[in-house]
Amino acid sequence: DVKVTQSSRYLVKRTGEKVFLECVQDMDHENMFWYRQDPGLGLRLIYFSYDVKMKEKGDIPEGYSVSREKKERFSLILESASTNQTSMYLCASSWGTDFNQPQHFGDGTRLSIL
Amino acid sequence: AQSVTQLDSQVPVFEEAPVELRCNYSSSVSVYLFWYVQYPNQGLQLLLKYLSGSTLVKGINGFEAEFNKSQTSFHLRKPSVHISDTAEYFCAVSDLSHNTDKLIFGTGTRLQVFP
Repeated sequence: DVKVTQSSRYLVKRTGEKVFLECVQDMDHENMFWYRQDPGLGLRLIYFSYDVKMKEKGDIPEGYSVSREKKERFSLILESASTNQTSMYLCASSWGTDFNQPQHFGDGTRLSIL
Repeated sequence: AQSVTQLDSQVPVFEEAPVELRCNYSSSVSVYLFWYVQYPNQGLQLLLKYLSGSTLVKGINGFEAEFNKSQTSFHLRKPSVHISDTAEYFCAVSDLSHNTDKLIFGTGTRLQVFP
């Protein structure tokens, strides 16, 4: 079974802090994704990556950056956390260039910015 | 741009009753369609997917969905629900015309099954 592991289930940080959310997958997937999930808004794509050191902006990249130094790891960075970034963050991964491959999700990190 | 609409934000239903969760997407030349389920405090799991072929797709846990190209719909159904089906359900579409592995998600439908 594919395993996508997010380093923290719950995280509380202060406004202005630099925040790192880590995600690791164990199935050698090329693609990795970061979403945020908010009530009534569903999932919105922040950033995604097709390969090591490669990244592309999703629909809501403002205030975030990402890093993919190794194939199995995809990090989401909040450069200067703000209260409107309080949310559930979900990481996902999928196989290469076949668009029919489903995405596999981690259990999420519930981030609170105070 | 592609969009997905889940018409019902919440669907309450009694155990053993049938249920239909509705999903419509905006028109496109070709799409792949997915339903995901999210149980409390967990990530999303794939229920089923439509890629091509038969328009009736069967998934896990007794769920099925029907692709209707003329109505641009992909409604999810189960003939008899259990308490354990209480969860949030997301419809998603992969828009092949944009040559990307991005999924566009609906806003979700919360299914609540009562005894």
